[in-house]
Amino acid sequence: EVQLVQSGAEVKKPGESLKISCKGSGYDFTDYWIAWVRQMPGKGLEWMGIIYPGDSDTRYSPSFQGQVTISADRSINSAYLQWTSLKASDTAIYYCARPGAPGALGLPFDYWGQGTLVTVSS
Amino acid sequence: DIVMSQSPDSLAVSLGERATINCKSSRSLLYSGNNKNFLAWYQQKPGQPPKLLIYWASTRYSGVPDRFSGSGSGTDFTLTISSLQAEDVAVYYCQQYYATPPYSFGQGTRLEIK
Repeated sequence: EVQLVQSGAEVKKPGESLKISCKGSGYDFTDYWIAWVRQMPGKGLEWMGIIYPGDSDTRYSPSFQGQVTISADRSINSAYLQWTSLKASDTAIYYCARPGAPGALGLPFDYWGQGTLVTVSS
Repeated sequence: DIVMSQSPDSLAVSLGERATINCKSSRSLLYSGNNKNFLAWYQQKPGQPPKLLIYWASTRYSGVPDRFSGSGSGTDFTLTISSLQAEDVAVYYCQQYYATPPYSFGQGTRLEIK
């Protein structure tokens, strides 16, 4: 069974750093792109970026380029989303998601993680 | 980048009636190489991640009830629920996955029972 399991909720202060994770199981992790999607409180879905764990090829939305870092460690089947200096406006639920076929970038997401709530407050 | 726009923002429909949600893209999502529209629809219920309903604009994902259907081509798309059930109350999003990233979402349409 394909699963994406994300790390737990985080409460941080502005200026702090953070790295959240998404662990894939039930499939060959290196063969499928993994994307990150933001959902701010009461708002819609925003596509942030995507990584191919096989070679770490990473693409970012211009809206998030330079604001976050997406990475992966294929040895432990995990993808990451990282901030060096959080802002209150980073408060959101962050989802990882996987498209339905290996190797293909432009595909919809048929598997989603459960979401990680990140709260940034002084 | 491609901008996706949905209408209406919210919709209230009686049980058993038809619900229609529209999605418009700032550029064509039809790829001539395979004659497919790179457009998906998702359903999101409170406290849950989104679920894929429709891909290639009109192909139902595995397990999705046949009351859900997608149509349209190019820049204009529609999600139709033929006979609304109570469990269909949710927010619905369209997403384009054409060519290169970012693969943007529409702003969402909230569907409620009238």
